[in-house]
Amino acid sequence: AQSVTQPDIHITVSEGASLELRCNYSYGATPYLFWYVQSPGQGLQLLLKYFSGDTLVQGIKGFEAEFKRSQSSFNLRKPSVHWSDAAEYFCAVGTGGGNKLTFGTGTQLKVEL
Amino acid sequence: GAVVSQHPSRVICKSGTSVKIECRSLDFQATTMFWYRQFPKQSLMLMATSNEGSKATYEQGVEKDKFLINHASLTLSTLTVTSAHPEDSSFYICSARPGGESNEKLFFGSGTQLSVL
Repeated sequence: AQSVTQPDIHITVSEGASLELRCNYSYGATPYLFWYVQSPGQGLQLLLKYFSGDTLVQGIKGFEAEFKRSQSSFNLRKPSVHWSDAAEYFCAVGTGGGNKLTFGTGTQLKVEL
Repeated sequence: GAVVSQHPSRVICKSGTSVKIECRSLDFQATTMFWYRQFPKQSLMLMATSNEGSKATYEQGVEKDKFLINHASLTLSTLTVTSAHPEDSSFYICSARPGGESNEKLFFGSGTQLSVL
């Protein structure tokens, strides 16, 4: 069965600093990979996705992620964090043609001003 | 962009009562909707897949008689937690996908915090 690991439960960065959120997955075939962001009391918003092709994908709000098959990783990055980026971030793997999503436990991002 | 409305956002109920949560796609037709459950500091767990006009498909370990799902129209799916107990207290989130689209077109509701006393 597929699984997703987000090893960092909490991360704190200063505004303007760079950010990397880690995500490792376990899946026997080529995965569909997603990053979502959840603000308090809100639903999930898709930041970016990887289905195939270029392993470096660009998303909204200046985020990017790189798929590394050899490391089974799909880390999320942002060169300069803004205070409004404070939220919870979920990595997910989609199986069955992307029909079913398995989520990681999330990483809570705090941004210090 | 597409909007999924989930109602209520928060509900408190007594143990033994039933609670209905609605998930509506406001500007598209959703042949498929998904229901997730999220415990504090844990991940979202898929509970069931709801298909319009047919029975929902439940994930292993989810009691279908306890979590009743109805997807009677292309814009509405409901989750009813029957005979709720404190252990059912959780954050429930729905998502909806426009007909024929892949999961890159998956839109989430804002969730429902259920507290059972």
